[in-house]
Amino acid sequence: SQELEQSPQSLIVQEGKNLTINCTSSKTLYGLYWYKQKYGEGLIFLMMLQKGGEEKSHEKITAKLDEKKQQSSLHITASQPSHAGIYLCGADRFKSNYQLIWGAGTKLIIKP
Amino acid sequence: EPEVTQTPSHQVTQMGQEVILRCVPISNHLYFYWYRQILGQKVEFLVSFYNNEISEKSEIFDDQFSVERPDGSNFTLKIRSTKLEDSAMYFCASRPLGGTEAFFGQGTRLTVV
Repeated sequence: SQELEQSPQSLIVQEGKNLTINCTSSKTLYGLYWYKQKYGEGLIFLMMLQKGGEEKSHEKITAKLDEKKQQSSLHITASQPSHAGIYLCGADRFKSNYQLIWGAGTKLIIKP
Repeated sequence: EPEVTQTPSHQVTQMGQEVILRCVPISNHLYFYWYRQILGQKVEFLVSFYNNEISEKSEIFDDQFSVERPDGSNFTLKIRSTKLEDSAMYFCASRPLGGTEAFFGQGTRLTVV
């Protein structure tokens, strides 16, 4: 069965520094989603990638999907306290959208 | 800004009891989902719902689970006879036709004692 592995499990970063979170699949991905989870706030959509080599940016967050569509990275530039939280990657199991499997999450702490 | 609303935020129930988790999706959305996250574990897909019927369900979604959209605005998840292992955070989500982003509610924490 398809699995998503996220790394690292947790990350402590000095405010202002850059960071990268990775998400690796054992099989080709049909769609890759990045969400952020904060306690009491549910899951907040960040970005969705579908095509090999695709890259999307929103504010200081950039997500990429590799050509083979088996690995995605989430890069945050000049981190801020508001970036703290748990970052989750999810992937479509099949071509039908949102029957997602999920990674275990990366807990990001920003040190002032 | 429209949002998905889930009630209650926390539900405690005795093992064997029936529980109904409620969700109000965003009004013009057509796809609805339930996910759950057992404490310390990954988020898991339970079921998707479209056009008043289940479109996909996972192995977890067995006969003790059911979903309903009783009145065109609410979307409910019923667990008939709760077990201790049903304790989890349950998330509802909705998505518009053609949209790539699903909007999640804040979750209902279910504790079975």
